Amino acid sequence: GAVVSQHPSRVICKSGTSVKIECRSLDFQATTMFWYRQFPKQSLMLMATSNEGSKATYEQGVEKDKFLINHASLTLSTLTVTSAHPEDSSFYICSAMEFTVANYGYTFGSGTRLTVV
Amino acid sequence: LAKTTQPISMDSYEGQEVNITCSHNNIATNDYITWYQQFPSQGPRFIIQGYKTKVTNEVASLFIPADRKSSTLSLPRVSLSDTAVYYCLVGSSSGSARQLTFGSGTQLTVLP
Repeated sequence: GAVVSQHPSRVICKSGTSVKIECRSLDFQATTMFWYRQFPKQSLMLMATSNEGSKATYEQGVEKDKFLINHASLTLSTLTVTSAHPEDSSFYICSAMEFTVANYGYTFGSGTRLTVV
Repeated sequence: LAKTTQPISMDSYEGQEVNITCSHNNIATNDYITWYQQFPSQGPRFIIQGYKTKVTNEVASLFIPADRKSSTLSLPRVSLSDTAVYYCLVGSSSGSARQLTFGSGTQLTVLP
């Protein structure tokens, strides 16, 4: 089946530094990928829609200058958390569409646990 | 996107059948119903999808009544490893704006 590979699985960084998270679609092309954030005991919250070759679309309340998204190829989207602060500590998850799974075929990455100290 | 409502939590015992119901009163004609499972510190995993009546696969069944305003995920003979959060999502493709909006999910705890 479709696989979305997300790296790193966990990262600890110092406050004020930047962190890059990669999301790769394996064996299929993903023109659109999605980035979610999940705080403990809460549901997934959509942050942005990443479109290959064009600018990402951010959800209301998500700072596009802080969460930089690049989707330069059909198999790779990256999320860079710039000038990270402790309140950015969260679980970040990407997803991509792949239509062999189901009509509504979204496959999710394994997530990245970001801890800002 | 149609809003979904699920119970926040459910407890069950090993070997029992578990039914989790989701209401989606504002479901649109071209919407599908999809269920995902999420373990702690992992991404959601697709379980099953349906449009109407009943769908069954190797892990679950999905029952959808004729009015499609609700759906029930049925997990036969659960085990401890089925302890997870289960999300019901409703939506469809609409041009290029395909998104999933997650509701609160149901925390299923399977007890020995």
